[in-house]
Amino acid sequence: RKEVEQDPGPFNVPEGATVAFNCTYSNSASQSFFWYRQDCRKEPKLLMSVYSSGNEDGRFTAQLNRASQYISLLIRDSKLSDSATYLCVVNTGFQKLVFGTGTRLLVSP
Amino acid sequence: GAVVSQHPSRVICKSGTSVKIECRSLDFQATTMFWYRQFPKQSLMLMATSNEGSKATYEQGVEKDKFLINHASLTLSTLTVTSAHPEDSSFYICSAIPQGRGETQYFGPGTRLLVL
Repeated sequence: RKEVEQDPGPFNVPEGATVAFNCTYSNSASQSFFWYRQDCRKEPKLLMSVYSSGNEDGRFTAQLNRASQYISLLIRDSKLSDSATYLCVVNTGFQKLVFGTGTRLLVSP
Repeated sequence: GAVVSQHPSRVICKSGTSVKIECRSLDFQATTMFWYRQFPKQSLMLMATSNEGSKATYEQGVEKDKFLINHASLTLSTLTVTSAHPEDSSFYICSAIPQGRGETQYFGPGTRLLVL
């Protein structure tokens, strides 16, 4: 079983749609959680950290469920520029980040 | 900000040659840097943790004699792929954690290596 699992997609949505991505992780001792965005042939960029209380940054909302070892990302009012691969990332301790394979999002006009 | 650069951005080499990739933190000092590798349609995989002034810590399955890491200063880590083979062709990305500023890793732009 992979340490971090994501649906690879692609998710094809029209502009303005709401889309949700899910991620599960296997290491219950994991300490911190993130969503990164990666554009084609580029490095990953931090989108947001994820907290148990849930956190929101503009159109983006992230949620963590430690009991179910489940992380989610919700994007509202999708823009064309949101098209990218979204990486679920888990810090398993000692600064070690484990990346999911990513979920690809395609937003069309 | 926290900017990390990598050089070169892309390199093509012949099988059997060695390739050196540099990772620099431009506006901060980093005691710890990380080297990742990403094959097409796969996730980033941590190869090793580079610590300034000491030996790197390699992940399981990564050959330390093949992937030489040197972290000689607080702003520079180098990865040398020795005797490169076509299966080493990949996207190599480094990251760094600013000293005294939490645990957020800032990523370099990556180096695309193609071994012919």
